[in-house]
Amino acid sequence: QVQLQESGPGLVKPSETLSLTCSVSGGSMSSFYWSWIRQPAGKGLEWIGRIYGTGSTNYNPSFKSRVTMSVDTSKNQVSLRLSSVSAADTAIYYCAKSSGSSRPWGQGTLVTVSS
Amino acid sequence: QSALTQPASVSGSPGQSITISCTGSSSDVGGYNYVSWYQQHPGKAPKVLIYDVSNRPSGVSNRFSGSKSGNTASLTISGLQAEDEAEYYCGSWTSSSSAIFGGGTKLTVL
Repeated sequence: QVQLQESGPGLVKPSETLSLTCSVSGGSMSSFYWSWIRQPAGKGLEWIGRIYGTGSTNYNPSFKSRVTMSVDTSKNQVSLRLSSVSAADTAIYYCAKSSGSSRPWGQGTLVTVSS
Repeated sequence: QSALTQPASVSGSPGQSITISCTGSSSDVGGYNYVSWYQQHPGKAPKVLIYDVSNRPSGVSNRFSGSKSGNTASLTISGLQAEDEAEYYCGSWTSSSSAIFGGGTKLTVL
């Protein structure tokens, strides 16, 4: 079955760009949506955006000016870039398969924004 | 856009059924059949229980069911078990071509 694994720096400095990768195994990427969601410690879920396997995107208006998602089907990877980060962007970041009858999430990766 | 409204907490005894509500508007829950429900145990990643209002991903117990009426979606858990104690979130597609989550509901199994 499809499995997802997030990876990237666990510490990012304020004003810099957060970059994460989601590696997908066990299935095709091209005909599905892939989402990024984050969760600050002790708080609820926040949808960041999604990307289709062909590259079309939808973003949360709250992030629209700072977020970029991309997909590389040859590497089975989805990427997230969030620019101009601040302490408010400290959270666990999850990637998830968000279409089809199987919708697994990755285990998440903690990103801390601090100097 | 405001988060969907869920009760902060619900509780039930083993074997009972409970329902968690998720209230939005005609711009999200009421306007689309794209409501999902998620279960999250402490320290774990969320797991999809229901998608598209009432569909269960493969492997999810049929004790979990979803429905929608107007601007309110509901998750029902029947035959409550101790392992169901967790945080539950709803989510919906919106007219802004984005998704939104509820604030979460803590389920306590008495």
